[in-house]
Amino acid sequence: DAMVIQNPRYQVTQFGKPVTLSCSQTLNHNVMYWYQQKSSQAPKLLFHYYDKDFNNEADTPDNFQSRRPNTSFCFLDIRSPGLGDAAMYLCATSRVRGVEKLFFGSGTQLSVL
Amino acid sequence: GEDVEQSLFLSVREGDSSVINCTYTDSSSTYLYWYKQEPGAGLQLLTYIFSNMDMKQDQRLTVLLNKKDKHLSLRIADTQTGDSAIYFCAENGMDSNYQLIWGAGTKLIIKP
Repeated sequence: DAMVIQNPRYQVTQFGKPVTLSCSQTLNHNVMYWYQQKSSQAPKLLFHYYDKDFNNEADTPDNFQSRRPNTSFCFLDIRSPGLGDAAMYLCATSRVRGVEKLFFGSGTQLSVL
Repeated sequence: GEDVEQSLFLSVREGDSSVINCTYTDSSSTYLYWYKQEPGAGLQLLTYIFSNMDMKQDQRLTVLLNKKDKHLSLRIADTQTGDSAIYFCAENGMDSNYQLIWGAGTKLIIKP
């Protein structure tokens, strides 16, 4: 049973055209994370929500925004995708912040044409 | 700053043991993790070890932690083709404000 669900599995967008990726969870976890992963690299944390508290990483570009309307859903908005934003985007959850294991979704592979 | 390092590739024969190594710098690490990523998929937590332990065994998996040398290893016994994946080492500790710090991942290649 999928616990962290990401849609769509593959997303193609045009250069500069806004795109939204979605994530939902059935675990009722307090923390939701968005990671960017480029080929053959480690995941890079973009931001996370601890409940409704938004925490942005210092080096996350302004082009990336997030929304968490309720406990179960979290969205990643890329306002003006560039070619360099093509990557796998991974959503993850944890029960609390800190020393907790993460549960990942299957990811959304974003292509920018 | 905090850092986690792994070799990028490991090649083993089917049926042999695989040992994937990782070094880290944050001496305040509380938990250390091994995640597995199959091609085109998300990451799956494989196993983890609490920093006051030096070994953890779970079926074919053995995790060894040398806290003095800040060295973590993952041994997979009787490696199978289904073990082909990228294995990421990660740690969290006070230096990173308890966010996960990831290694670059080790791609495990299984030879028949």
